[in-house]
Amino acid sequence: DQQVKQNSPSLSVQEGRISILNCDYTNSMFDYFLWYKKYPAEGPTFLISISSIKDKNEDGRFTVFLNKSAKHLSLHIVPSQPGDSAVYFCAADEGSNYQLIWGAGTKLIIKP
Amino acid sequence: NAGVTQTPKFQVLKTGQSMTLQCAQDMNHEYMSWYRQDPGMGLRLIHYSVGAGITDQGEVPNGYNVSRSTTEDFPLRLLSAAPSQTSVYFCASSPLGTDSYEQYFGPGTRLTVT
Repeated sequence: DQQVKQNSPSLSVQEGRISILNCDYTNSMFDYFLWYKKYPAEGPTFLISISSIKDKNEDGRFTVFLNKSAKHLSLHIVPSQPGDSAVYFCAADEGSNYQLIWGAGTKLIIKP
Repeated sequence: NAGVTQTPKFQVLKTGQSMTLQCAQDMNHEYMSWYRQDPGMGLRLIHYSVGAGITDQGEVPNGYNVSRSTTEDFPLRLLSAAPSQTSVYFCASSPLGTDSYEQYFGPGTRLTVT
């Protein structure tokens, strides 16, 4: 029973356009969400996060949107750059639970 | 700062062998954790620790032991390796008592059990 789902295993986007990565969750107790980026043969690196009391958080080219009623969050990357090609993971926490639950990841390919 | 370091990078074991995966961090983080990543799946939490002398089980703890004698080190022991433990293992750390749940990851250990 996957509590965090990333239904698109891969996504291909033209350089300069917007990349939108999606994540759905089932556990209504989750109150903090994170996006991580992972390059091959490296550990995941933190990208951006959002608390359940917000519906949007921005950091430069990266924006995360949270729709609590739909139990859905998305990561927008604008404009997409070749260095953004990586696997993106969505993760969620129940708050002071110390146990992040991860989605399976979406491989983003930025085409030149 | 070296951040989170893991050794070895690669390891091949035979079924039934034991080994310890090492993890160290130099950021004085209270929280440390071990994950495994399998193809087509997200990271799954094996064990975690919120401070020296304190450990707890995650989602998939069977077949693994941990201990935390110092803030810096959090080794993961495989007592009797099985092919199902073939995976990439990541160690992570984070400070406690902040508003962020961001974790800092090591580069991973790729383990193959034959």
